[in-house]
Formats: sequence, C-alpha cells, structure tokens
Amino acid sequence: GQSLEQPSEVTAVEGAIVQINCTYQTSGFYGLSWYQQHDGGAPTFLSYNALDGLEETGRFSSFLSRSDSYGYLLLQELQMKDSASYFCALCEDDKLIFGTGTRLQVFP
Amino acid sequence: DTAVSQTPKYLVTQMGNDKSIKCEQNLGHDTMYWYKQDSKKFLKIMFSYNNKELIINETVPNRFSPKSPDKAHLNLHINSLELGDSAVYFCASSQDLSEQFFGPGTRLTVL
Repeated sequence: GQSLEQPSEVTAVEGAIVQINCTYQTSGFYGLSWYQQHDGGAPTFLSYNALDGLEETGRFSSFLSRSDSYGYLLLQELQMKDSASYFCALCEDDKLIFGTGTRLQVFP
Repeated sequence: DTAVSQTPKYLVTQMGNDKSIKCEQNLGHDTMYWYKQDSKKFLKIMFSYNNKELIINETVPNRFSPKSPDKAHLNLHINSLELGDSAVYFCASSQDLSEQFFGPGTRLTVL
C-alpha cells in the first residue's frame, strides 16, 4: 500500500518557524491535506494542496511538489498551543491515506 | 452545536463481548467514515459510506459491521472483541474528500 513518511518528532521555541516534511510513494492522487491533532483530541483540517506550490492560511502554509513526491507544512510565529501532532494525508480515490505523524513540541 | 458527535467517549469491555459505537453529523455531508487510531497514533481508514451506501471497506475483519440508517448517522458494531481491537475509533464526515470533520473519538479498551 501507499506510505507517507514524516519525521516522528520536531521541537522548536515560541516565535520560531518550523517545517514538517512529508514524503510519499505514489503518483495517482488528487492532492495532499494536513491535519492537526492535540493530545486526547480529534484531527482537525489545516490545509490542502491540489496543485504544486504554496498555499497560505494565516500562520500556516503548505507546499506540494509532485515531481519530488514531497510536501511540507510550514508553521510560523510558533505558539505554545501549536504543540500537537501533525499529519499529512493523500487524497486518493475515495479515501485519505494518513502519514505517520509528527509530534511538534514548542518550548517557551 | 456539535458538528460530528460520537457515543460513548470511553468503552471498557471484556474480550469476546459485542459493542456498538454511534456517530451522528449535523453538517449535511454526504460521506461518513470510520477510522482506527492505534497506540502509535497511526490513523487508518476502515469504512466509508456515501449517502448510506458502503463505498470503502479496507479489509477490516468481518467482526466489524458498519450500519448507516440515514446519511446523518453511521454506527459501528463490533462482535467478539479482541485485545487488538483496543484503539481510538474516530467517525468523520465530509462533502469534500480533502477536508474531513472528525468526531471526538471513542477510546475502546478490551481487557
């Protein structure tokens, strides 16, 4: 099956910028979504890239390069509340295939 | 108003028992899903229904049977529970595949 790889953990300080990468091994998909999940909470939608390039939504941006089989989520002006797990997800056929997830810890 | 709701939030039960989890969405979406999130936080699709019709069954054991009485509800019944079924189960709904709305999750513990 498809696999989407993400770093397991990333740490950063408040106010910094952090990039969470997502690499995949498939060519037939509609786009790449990103979700945030706080401990004990539900995944919530952050961003979606149907086309190559950068999508900006406030402090969060997401990037997709189909030729490089690669995407990333960029979080700017980090806040303590951004400490959570982040998942990329391929939109394929009628389903989302989620990545392995990255735990982001933001320190003061 | 809660968009996607699930009951119960916690479920602790013995091996071999049968249990159900209920899900309701008030967003008017056509598609609903069940996901399983294991202890390593890996999130995997189990089932997908579009307008009460099953469209995805991701090689889930027959002990798991989803039922959609109408497009706002998707319930999950699990027979003969096993230890490996312990996980958090999320219901979700969407009108667009890329943006799904998840319920709060049901933490199932099988003893």
